[in-house]
Amino acid sequence: AQSVTQLGSHVSVSEGALVLLRCNYSSSVPPYLFWYVQYPNQGLQLLLKYTSAATLVKGINGFEAEFKKSETSFHLTKPSAHMSDAAEYFCAVSVGAGNNRKLIWGLGTSLAVNP
Amino acid sequence: DAGVTQSPTHLIKTRGQQVTLRCSPKSGHDTVSWYQQALGQGPQFIFQYYEEEERQRGNFPDRFSGHQFPNYSSELNVNALLLGDSALYLCASSTTQRANYNEQFFGPGTRLTVL
Repeated sequence: AQSVTQLGSHVSVSEGALVLLRCNYSSSVPPYLFWYVQYPNQGLQLLLKYTSAATLVKGINGFEAEFKKSETSFHLTKPSAHMSDAAEYFCAVSVGAGNNRKLIWGLGTSLAVNP
Repeated sequence: DAGVTQSPTHLIKTRGQQVTLRCSPKSGHDTVSWYQQALGQGPQFIFQYYEEEERQRGNFPDRFSGHQFPNYSSELNVNALLLGDSALYLCASSTTQRANYNEQFFGPGTRLTVL
């Protein structure tokens, strides 16, 4: 069965430091992978997605993620953290086909950015 | 172009009551999925509607039911509310007209509190 594991439920970085949020997936077929961000008391916003094109995917707000099939990973990075990046981040994998597609979610990583 | 909208934003109910949450999908989308997100957790898939029918269902009891209307909007109904039903309920819309990677757009959610 497909699954998503996010390593580290809480990550804390200093403003200006590198952000690295880890995501590993389990999928029997080529996956479609997503990173979403959720700010306090808000819904989920798509940061970026991997759809079997380029393995390095660039998203909004300076985030990017690299799909590594050999490591079954899709880690999210940002070179320099900003205070506004403090939020909850979710990795998800799309499973199923046609009208039976749905998203399987990781448990999320809470990112804190310290001044 | 309006995105996904949900109503109400907040709701307080007591145990045993029934609740109806509403969702309007993004313009051009024909598929609606509902998720439950408990505090500090990732979203849990409840069910998905397409062509006014429930196409997929997650591991939720029959107390959770839904409906999709001809204009693609959707309702989530929960009967016999339990304290454990307190959560943020997220609606996501997608389209079958795009490539098969299940990108979903989320509404801001309805915060349900059961007392």
